[in-house]
Amino acid sequence: DTEVTQTPKHLVMGMTNKKSLKCEQHMGHRAMYWYKQKAKKPPELMFVYSYEKLSINESVPSRFSPECPNSSLLNLHLHALQPEDSALYLCASSPLARAANKETQYFGPGTRLLVL
Amino acid sequence: AQSVAQPEDQVNVAEGNPLTVKCTYSVSGNPYLFWYVQYPNRGLQFLLKYITGDNLVKGSYGFEAEFNKSQTSFHLKKPSALVSDSALYFCAVRDRHGSSNTGKLIFGQGTTLQVKP
Repeated sequence: DTEVTQTPKHLVMGMTNKKSLKCEQHMGHRAMYWYKQKAKKPPELMFVYSYEKLSINESVPSRFSPECPNSSLLNLHLHALQPEDSALYLCASSPLARAANKETQYFGPGTRLLVL
Repeated sequence: AQSVAQPEDQVNVAEGNPLTVKCTYSVSGNPYLFWYVQYPNRGLQFLLKYITGDNLVKGSYGFEAEFNKSQTSFHLKKPSALVSDSALYFCAVRDRHGSSNTGKLIFGQGTTLQVKP
């Protein structure tokens, strides 16, 4: 099973709202990722957590705040977003395998966010 | 810096014909290469990867890819296209942070595959 789940599927929020995106995996993966994707463009990496610690932050604005409560869960807290933040937000996970040939990122279905 | 290029924005093919979606890469060292497919309003699905070994890699849904070191290419192929293969395809290379396997995927710009009946 290579399933990553994300909730909600769709989210509409105003620029003054606070909301959270949730991601979950039960594959025992030790790395989890947040990507942002605009229509018909490649995903852009935002954050990486390894062993529940933030290991990569791709200079993302502070209005996006990631959290990794445990090895199965990843949240993305949103506050004071701008309309240009409207996009598909994808979560992914990977095993962090020692062997490179076993290391693959698996993606969830995404949350489509619209900021009004 | 590591990068991948997908030279075609769109590929059109008739159902039943073979298809090729092109990808070239530029990396230092040995490349870790991936293909993902994205259906409309969906996340990315892993198709196949090349890490080492045989140059012909077989993946999901009948897809395969050929790693060519001399041409720095990793083209995605399928012998007989289906209408249901119509989707957005991304080639990616994994950037490596030192000796760690935690690395960002560097994606190409994507190629839209249209298979017509």
